[in-house]
Amino acid sequence: AQSVAQPEDQVNVAEGNPLTVKCTYSVSGNPYLFWYVQYPNRGLQFLLKYITGDNLVKGSYGFEAEFNKSQTSFHLKKPSALVSDSALYFCAVRGYAGNNRKLIWGLGTSLAVNP
Amino acid sequence: SAVISQKPSRDICQRGTSLTIQCQVDSQVTMMFWYRQQPGQSLTLIATANQGSEATYESGFVIDKFPISRPNLTFSTLTVSNMSPEDSSIYLCSVSGTGDYNEQFFGPGTRLTVL
Repeated sequence: AQSVAQPEDQVNVAEGNPLTVKCTYSVSGNPYLFWYVQYPNRGLQFLLKYITGDNLVKGSYGFEAEFNKSQTSFHLKKPSALVSDSALYFCAVRGYAGNNRKLIWGLGTSLAVNP
Repeated sequence: SAVISQKPSRDICQRGTSLTIQCQVDSQVTMMFWYRQQPGQSLTLIATANQGSEATYESGFVIDKFPISRPNLTFSTLTVSNMSPEDSSIYLCSVSGTGDYNEQFFGPGTRLTVL
């Protein structure tokens, strides 16, 4: 069965420090991986995706994510955190192509960046 | 990326009544999705709505409770019928393009409170 795990409910980081939000997945076949961010009282915004190719994917707002096939991980990273990055982050995966384009969602990680 | 609007943005309803949520997209899209999200929690897919066909419901969701219309490629509605306080949630509409690798884009959500 396909699944996504975000092992940390909350991540705290000081402003200016690097941040990592973890995501691991389990799918059959090649994974299509996504990161989304949800700011308070807002809808979800797409950050970045991995489909194929370079394992390091760059996205919006200075975020990047590294696909690691052997560890089945897709951790979200940013070199220098901003207070405005404080939000809820979701990892999602699709395990196959075709007409069914459902995403399997992680439970989310709340990121708090402290000034 | 698609621009998605939802109406209403929020509502407070009485037990036993029904509410219809509208989702409008600024471009033609093949697949639309309806999700439910408790504040601060992950997303639960209710159903997938394709134009010209019946919606496909996820386990635990039925058409009588959550009827969906998809009259064209830019519009869909979700009705929450015979509401109870357990239906209090945020309801999100999202869209996906025709490509296999397309990410989903989300509307701002409808915050529903059932008294």
